[in-house]
Amino acid sequence: AQKVTQAQTEISVVEKEDVTLDCVYETRDTTYYLFWYKQPPSGELVFLIRRNSFDEQNEISGRYSWNFQKSTSSFNFTITASQVVDSAVYFCALIPYSGGSNYKLTFGKGTLLTVNP
Amino acid sequence: DAGVTQSPTHLIKTRGQQVTLRCSPKSGHDTVSWYQQALGQGPQFIFQYYEEEERQRGNFPDRFSGHQFPNYSSELNVNALLLGDSALYLCASTRRGLGSDTQYFGPGTRLTVL
Repeated sequence: AQKVTQAQTEISVVEKEDVTLDCVYETRDTTYYLFWYKQPPSGELVFLIRRNSFDEQNEISGRYSWNFQKSTSSFNFTITASQVVDSAVYFCALIPYSGGSNYKLTFGKGTLLTVNP
Repeated sequence: DAGVTQSPTHLIKTRGQQVTLRCSPKSGHDTVSWYQQALGQGPQFIFQYYEEEERQRGNFPDRFSGHQFPNYSSELNVNALLLGDSALYLCASTRRGLGSDTQYFGPGTRLTVL
């Protein structure tokens, strides 16, 4: 069974601060995929990134960056110079590689990020 | 390029009633999954449809059923509604492949059971 833990329930920062959202996962599978999704108040889950378990390169996309460390089973997400529009609930999720038979994403409980002006 | 669409946006039902939610997948996608998201929780997988058949199911009772049509759109049906069924129901679509392809989500249907 898979498990994703997002220990930070809520984070509040002031605009332009950097903020890191933590994600720790558990799986017995050797190959798996990790995701981050953003859920604004409208409710739709917006895809941000997907990482393979065999690719530990960190990734940067604009103000967003992701730190994947297999040794500690963590996949943390950093927003640099946060903006009010970044306010949302952020979810980390995992799915084992299955060759096409498994489409069940396992989500953490999410972290509510509030960026104050 | 239209994304995943869901209808209706909101729905209010009473206990014991039945409800049908609808989903149209993103263009080019053929696999649809449904998730239930209770308030303050992460989404929980209900089931997945491909080629008009239920292929995978999460830990949900038989009151939850679905259907997929030849155009890949899907319905989620919930019978004998309980207060605990109040939640945001999310539909996600992807292209059948390795199972790890990114799932894209719709805006959800918020169901309230009174």
